[in-house]
Amino acid sequence: NAGVMQNPRHLVRRRGQEARLRCSPMKGHSHVYWYRQLPEEGLKFMVYLQKENIIDESGMPKERFSAEFPKEGPSILRIQQVVRGDSAAYFCASSPGAGSYEQYFGPGTRLTVT
Amino acid sequence: SQELEQSPQSLIVQEGKNLTINCTSSKTLYGLYWYKQKYGEGLIFLMMLQKGGEEKSHEKITAKLDEKKQQSSLHITASQPSHAGIYLCGADPNQGGKLIFGQGTELSVKP
Repeated sequence: NAGVMQNPRHLVRRRGQEARLRCSPMKGHSHVYWYRQLPEEGLKFMVYLQKENIIDESGMPKERFSAEFPKEGPSILRIQQVVRGDSAAYFCASSPGAGSYEQYFGPGTRLTVT
Repeated sequence: SQELEQSPQSLIVQEGKNLTINCTSSKTLYGLYWYKQKYGEGLIFLMMLQKGGEEKSHEKITAKLDEKKQQSSLHITASQPSHAGIYLCGADPNQGGKLIFGQGTELSVKP
C-alpha cells in the first residue's frame, strides 16, 4: 500500500522561474493538504483541497501561489516567479476524510531558489 | 487563535532511559496528533488522541491526553537510537483539517 508520494524530492529554481510540486495521495484518500516548513520555523498549513475543490486556502500567500487537485492526476502546488524566501520544504498530506481523520504525510519537496 | 507549546525543545538521553515530551495547548483540544520527523524527511504519523483521559500505546511509545484536553504527553520507554528525531504535536482547532503544530522537540539518543 503505497504512501503519499511527492515529486520531485529536490527542486532548484532561479529567481523568477516557476516551481511545480506534485503530490499523489494514498490510495483511497480524497483529501489533500499542503504545508510549508521554512528554515528555523515550524510547519505551517497552506491549503486544503478535495478533488476539483479548494476547501481552505487561508494559509496560502495571496500572490504567486496556487494549488489544484484535478479529477484525474496528482495535486499540484504551483509557485510563480519564485523568490529566495520561497526556499523551504513543502509537504503534502492526505486523509480519507475531513476533520478528525489522521493525515499521512509525504517525504516532502525541498525547494531551493538561487 | 490556538497555539501549541512543546517542552523540552531538545532532549539528549542515554540509550535505555525513559523520557517524556509534553505538548500544551492554549485552548481545548479536539484531536491531538503526534508525529515524528527524521532530518530531511517527511512526518511519520504516530498516534491520534481525541477523548479526555485517552491513552494509546504503540511499541515503546505511549501518548496521553489529559482530562481537560489541554495537555498531552508522549512517553518513550527504554529509548533506542532509532527513536532519535524531531517529535511534533499537532491539533485541528476548527475540526476542518487545517492542522497547527508545536515547534517540535528534538530527541537525541546516545548509544
